[in-house]
Amino acid sequence: AQSVSQHNHHVILSEAASLELGCNYSYGGTVNLFWYVQYPGQHLQLLLKYFSGDPLVKGIKGFEAEFIKSKFSFNLRKPSVQWSDTAEYFCAVNLDTGRRALTFGSGTRLQVQP
Amino acid sequence: GAGVSQSPSNKVTEKGKDVELRCDPISGHTALYWYRQSLGQGLEFLIYFQGNSAPDKSGLPSDRFSAERTGGSVSTLTIQRTQQEDSAVYLCASTNRDRGGIQYFGAGTRLSVL
Repeated sequence: AQSVSQHNHHVILSEAASLELGCNYSYGGTVNLFWYVQYPGQHLQLLLKYFSGDPLVKGIKGFEAEFIKSKFSFNLRKPSVQWSDTAEYFCAVNLDTGRRALTFGSGTRLQVQP
Repeated sequence: GAGVSQSPSNKVTEKGKDVELRCDPISGHTALYWYRQSLGQGLEFLIYFQGNSAPDKSGLPSDRFSAERTGGSVSTLTIQRTQQEDSAVYLCASTNRDRGGIQYFGAGTRLSVL
């Protein structure tokens, strides 16, 4: 069974600091990769996705992620965080076939201090 | 509607009672998923509906859980004889099954079993 690991459970940064959140998955087949964000009191929203093509994908609000197939990784980055980026971030994977149910990592709680 | 709608937003029930949770997917989305978000287990897949096909129930944790989807649209998740360990946020997502199947999530139903 596939699994997703997020290495950082709780990250505290000051505004303007750079962010990198790690994500590794276990499945070696054809997968689709996602980062979802959950702002306080809000529902899960898609931040960015990778299906194929350029392994560097750009999402909303200045976020980007790089798919490194050899490392089974899909790390999320942002050069300069803002207080409004305070949220929980989930990496997710699904197989590119069948039911395509998402397997989520355990989430990373990001706290940005003004 | 514009997004996935779930009701109720909060549900408090007594142990042993049955509960029904409702999901209205985005209009035109043929696939619908239920997930559960709990402290101990993170975000986990429960059940998947695709069109008129038989649902994939492989994620349901016990036979006390069931779900149906009427007319290919609205879905109801039923939990019979609720237990305290059923306390969680139940999330619904829908997709139109484009490549990779971007899933759009509702705000969830927070279930508390006393």
